[in-house]
This record gives sequence, structure tokens and C-alpha cells, in this order.
Amino acid sequence: AQSVSQHNHHVILSEAASLELGCNYSYGGTVNLFWYVQYPGQHLQLLLKYFSGDPLVKGIKGFEAEFIKSKFSFNLRKPSVQWSDTAEYFCAVNSKGRRALTFGSGTRLQVQP
Amino acid sequence: NAGVTQTPKFQVLKTGQSMTLQCAQDMNHNSMYWYRQDPGMGLRLIYYSASEGTTDKGEVPNGYNVSRLNKREFSLRLESAAPSQTSVYFCASSGGGPFSGNTIYFGEGSWLTVV
Repeated sequence: AQSVSQHNHHVILSEAASLELGCNYSYGGTVNLFWYVQYPGQHLQLLLKYFSGDPLVKGIKGFEAEFIKSKFSFNLRKPSVQWSDTAEYFCAVNSKGRRALTFGSGTRLQVQP
Repeated sequence: NAGVTQTPKFQVLKTGQSMTLQCAQDMNHNSMYWYRQDPGMGLRLIYYSASEGTTDKGEVPNGYNVSRLNKREFSLRLESAAPSQTSVYFCASSGGGPFSGNTIYFGEGSWLTVV
């Protein structure tokens, strides 16, 4: 069974700090990987996704993620966070033949002005 | 373009009551999903529908039923609500299965409290 682990449950940063949120998945075969963001009171929105090709994926709002197959990881990064990045971030994975995405438990990011 | 629309947005139920969460999408998507979101547990799949007329159980289907009424609509029913079903419910849709490269779009959520 596929599973996703997000080890950072709550991260607090100051504006302009760099961000890296960890995501590890358990499935050994071909996977598709996603990061979603949920701003306070809003629905989930796609930040970026990896299907194949270049393992460094760039998404919206200056976010990027790197797929490292040997480490089963898909960490999310941003060089300089803003107060408006305060949100909850979810990593998700899907493998071939699975019906739907499996989500991690989420990381709550709080950016202080 | 409304995307994925869920109703109601907020609901308080008494234990044992029944209710239906409605979901509709206007993107002509084949696949639709119901997830629940609980603190510290992320989103867990309740039911999934790959196409009109088909439904499949997800991780946490107990206590729920679904109906894929047509291509646009996918409803979630709680027959006898329990406090453990207090959660935020998200409906979602995609053009095909997520492994096919289709992005999943989410509704704004339905906050359900069972007392």
C-alpha cells in the first residue's frame, strides 16, 4: 500500500527565511507526486506535480520540489517565504493502478512578519 | 466557471440523524471523489467514482453511501450520523484517474459537526 509521511507538522518561519518541507512516500514503483496548499478557510489548490522527466519541478508562487527516487522523497522548497505563504501544505502520491491520491498528514506553515 | 461546488458549507447534526452532502462539477470530468479531513490525519478517501454509474470504496467508507447521479453530480450520504463523523468533507474531481496526468480539483469543503 502506498503511504506518505510528512515529518514536519508545524513550522514557524520569519519572512524571507528559506523553506524546506519534507515528504517521503513508501511505494517502490512508478509514482506521481503532488504538493497541494490550503490557505486558511479555503480549499486545496495544486502547487506543483511531478509525473516524469526533470526531477526538479517548479510550481506556482515560487515553490519548487525535487524528486529523489533513491530516497523516496519529494521535498518542497521556497528560497524566501512571505507572510502570505501561511497555510497548510499537503504532499500526495499516486501509483499506477491506484484509484486516487494518498495524502500526507499535512504541515502547517506559519510565517511571521 | 464554478469548478467544484459543494453544499451545504456548514451543518450541525444530532447523533442518528441522516443527511446528504451534494457535489457538482462543471468541468466535464469523469472522476469524482469524496475525502474527509481530520486534524493531523490529512485527507482520507471515503469513496471514488471513476465514471457515471460506478463507485468504489476508499480508505474510510464505513457509515457512508454515495450516488453518482450523472456525470456532474456525486453525493455523499450519512445514514445515521455519529460523532466520529465530525469532520471537514471535500469533494473533488479530475478528468481521469490521477495517474493519467490529470489534476484533481477540490471544492471548498463542508464543515460537519455531529453532536
